Amino acid sequence: AQSVTQPDIHITVSEGASLELRCNYSYGATPYLFWYVQSPGQGLQLLLKYFSGDTLVQGIKGFEAEFKRSQSSFNLRKPSVHWSDAAEYFCAVGREERGSQGNLIFGKGTKLSVKP
Amino acid sequence: EPEVTQTPSHQVTQMGQEVILRCVPISNHLYFYWYRQILGQKVEFLVSFYNNEISEKSEIFDDQFSVERPDGSNFTLKIRSTKLEDSAMYFCASKLRWEIYEQYFGPGTRLTVT
Repeated sequence: AQSVTQPDIHITVSEGASLELRCNYSYGATPYLFWYVQSPGQGLQLLLKYFSGDTLVQGIKGFEAEFKRSQSSFNLRKPSVHWSDAAEYFCAVGREERGSQGNLIFGKGTKLSVKP
Repeated sequence: EPEVTQTPSHQVTQMGQEVILRCVPISNHLYFYWYRQILGQKVEFLVSFYNNEISEKSEIFDDQFSVERPDGSNFTLKIRSTKLEDSAMYFCASKLRWEIYEQYFGPGTRLTVT
């Protein structure tokens, strides 16, 4: 079965520093990959998605992610973190098993804290 | 920009009571989903709904759960007899078409069962 692993539960970075959040997925074919962000008390907001084509995708709020098939990874990056980026980040993959209606499979999330 | 809305934002109920969580998906979307997130755990798929019927459900979605689309706009999740372990954040999501994987999520309803 498909799965998503986010190995880092909690990351703290200083404001202005660069950020990389890791995500690994398990599936044989080219997956549909997503990063969502959840601010406290808020819903899940889509940051970016990858379906095909250029393996480096740009998203909102200055985020980008790179799909690496050889490593089964889809890591999220930002060159300079802002205090408002403090939130929980979820990596997800679109389920493609036969009979599936395309529901999303989520990782456990990575909580990002930003130091001033 | 269109968005998915959910009500209430927080529901507290006693064990054994019935609850109905409400969602208004984006108006031209055809596929609807419920997910839940137990505190500290990952977001889990519950059920998908298309063409006025359940199209897929997870193992979590047992006989205590039901969904319906009573009119052209609302999409509801009912839990018939709540248990303590039903306490979670419940998210509604919708998407435009089957081949579009991008789902739009509502802000969630936090359900607390006491």
